[in-house]
Amino acid sequence: EVQLVESGGGLIQPGGSLRLSCAASGFTLSSYVMNWVRQAPGKGLEWVSYISGSASTIHYSDSVKGRFTISRDNAKNSLSLQMNSLRAEDTAVYFCVREDYGLDVWGQGTRVTVSS
Amino acid sequence: DIQVTQSPSTLSASVGDRVTITCRASQSINNWLAWYQQKPGKAPKLLIYTASNLESGVPSRFSGSGSGTEFTLTISNLQPDDFATYYCQQYYTYLYTFGQGTKLEIK
Repeated sequence: EVQLVESGGGLIQPGGSLRLSCAASGFTLSSYVMNWVRQAPGKGLEWVSYISGSASTIHYSDSVKGRFTISRDNAKNSLSLQMNSLRAEDTAVYFCVREDYGLDVWGQGTRVTVSS
Repeated sequence: DIQVTQSPSTLSASVGDRVTITCRASQSINNWLAWYQQKPGKAPKLLIYTASNLESGVPSRFSGSGSGTEFTLTISNLQPDDFATYYCQQYYTYLYTFGQGTKLEIK
């Protein structure tokens, strides 16, 4: 079964750091582009970051550029999102998402709350 | 950045109805548009990719059309399971953008 499972979310103070992880199973991770997408409470979907299969191409939304870092370890079937200098507006559920034609496989999400 | 404007924001309909949701891009995105369905507390589900291609396992009552800047998602013969929120998303440029969402409610 193709599956993505996120972990690492939690409550963090403004200015703090958090590292999200995503474990992939049921497919060859290196063959796919991966993304992080987030959803603030009661709001719509917001794309956060993109990484190509070999990690040679990486993109970030303007709202996280310079603060978040996406990475992957294809040998360990894992994707990560290092989040630094967190702000209240980063509060959201973060989804790990596989990209094929469209964003075709989503994890269940991990909740990040930035609050003092 | 490419802006994506989705309408309407809410839509009331009955079981058996046919409904249409529209997505407009601020510049041409060819056919690089996808549609997703999301239910409360769940991850989004891909319905349509490259504007008109039905994802495997998605019922044929869902259809997508359009190219360039204007796109539509049509749901025919609405079923109870279809009442959810729908999002479009452009992936023409790497700064992917989603529409604001359309909440489909039971009339």
